Amino acid sequence: NAGVMQNPRHLVRRRGQEARLRCSPMKGHSHVYWYRQLPEEGLKFMVYLQKENIIDESGMPKERFSAEFPKEGPSILRIQQVVRGDSAAYFCASSQQIGYQETQYFGPGTRLLVL
Amino acid sequence: GQQVMQIPQYQHVQEGEDFTTYCNSSTTLSNIQWYKQRPGGHPVFLIQLVKSGEVKKQKRLTFQFGEAKKNSSLHITATQTTDVGTYFCAGGDYGGATNKLIFGTGTLLAVQP
Repeated sequence: NAGVMQNPRHLVRRRGQEARLRCSPMKGHSHVYWYRQLPEEGLKFMVYLQKENIIDESGMPKERFSAEFPKEGPSILRIQQVVRGDSAAYFCASSQQIGYQETQYFGPGTRLLVL
Repeated sequence: GQQVMQIPQYQHVQEGEDFTTYCNSSTTLSNIQWYKQRPGGHPVFLIQLVKSGEVKKQKRLTFQFGEAKKNSSLHITATQTTDVGTYFCAGGDYGGATNKLIFGTGTLLAVQP
């Protein structure tokens, strides 16, 4: 039973380039969450998605960041025109269904380094 | 906005000593979840507490959820070197529709053999 999968595990980009991060939830999970962890800090919620729907994007920066979870394929977090401050670990989590008692399971993360 | 704080930020113990981290939320939580993150790793789910005053044990780990559902604690008895890592509490968004987690600031535990 595969867990949450993320790729790439490490990504290096130069300022101004685009970064695309992928997340495949656990089998049977239809809810995906993206979190960002800056060095030496805790995780900050970014966005919550279900298939083809963005449910809560209250933690997403207003510009350059977007997320999607298409009907087929993984969820994608896209960062356009990256800047050095985007360097962080980006974690995806999935859960089976919405509810107060739903556990979120985390993927291994993508470490983004912007040069 | 909702904030979840943890103390201490860092704890260094000798192997065999006990360890406790405390988690405090500015608002009432629907549930509290605890995660452990090893250096360079990802958060690994440890446990979830839902009921007011709930206490759960996992071997040497004891988790407690406060009566007001605004605070929680994790206690490790007789630490081992394998306990090294950062322990995060994460609060469920009470009354919210998204179940997003508000993570605490984390406590880094170092265990000296």
